[in-house]
Amino acid sequence: QSALTQPASVSGSPGQSITISCTGTSSDIGYYNYVSWYQQHPGKAPKVLIYDVSNRPSGVSNRFSGSKSGNTASLTISVLQAEDEADYYCSSYTMNTIPWVFGGGTKLTVL
Amino acid sequence: QVQLQESGPGLVKPSQTLSLTCTVSGDSIISDAHNWTWIRHHPGKGLEWIGNIFYTGSTYYNPSLKSRITMSVDTSKKQFSLSLSSVTAADTAIYYCARKPVHLWAPFDCWGQGTLVTVSS
Repeated sequence: QSALTQPASVSGSPGQSITISCTGTSSDIGYYNYVSWYQQHPGKAPKVLIYDVSNRPSGVSNRFSGSKSGNTASLTISVLQAEDEADYYCSSYTMNTIPWVFGGGTKLTVL
Repeated sequence: QVQLQESGPGLVKPSQTLSLTCTVSGDSIISDAHNWTWIRHHPGKGLEWIGNIFYTGSTYYNPSLKSRITMSVDTSKKQFSLSLSSVTAADTAIYYCARKPVHLWAPFDCWGQGTLVTVSS
């Protein structure tokens, strides 16, 4: 069982928007604004999409956006494209003895 | 552009030691700004942080794995390594090496592609 909870799968059609949730606790997402999101295509290395809840690294499309409310963080992908089909993972810094925790991952299917 | 590549046996017998190496290219492993990290992904489960090592050899391990982990760094070869002893089937996972800025809250900003390690007799 993962420390952070994500839906196993989401799907959407090209041009639509989808949101992936990531639920933690008051010791991680609820306490810190240090949530990151990673995208992983099959056989490829994970790539940072979002850090510090809502910041995008240079080069990441503005179709990707992040937010947080309470113990839940969200990743929204707007104007879905076929190339967005991938696995998405959330992560948070925590106050616990294990300082970084991850979600189980969400498989995005673009219909 | 920094790249990381994991290497090591894909099959380890139960009770033996899993040994993996990560080779860093495109950047120096001697960096005051980064730690070097191992993360694993169990089938059907989430990612799990294993531990960090600084180029000086200073380490920070996951408490749940600490008794079985040894990490080391070879700056001359631009490599860092993971040893996990007394493995069981529960250690079967994809193992990733990654780069982690020293700021605790910063994301893991560069990852290898991962290597599958299966623990089986």
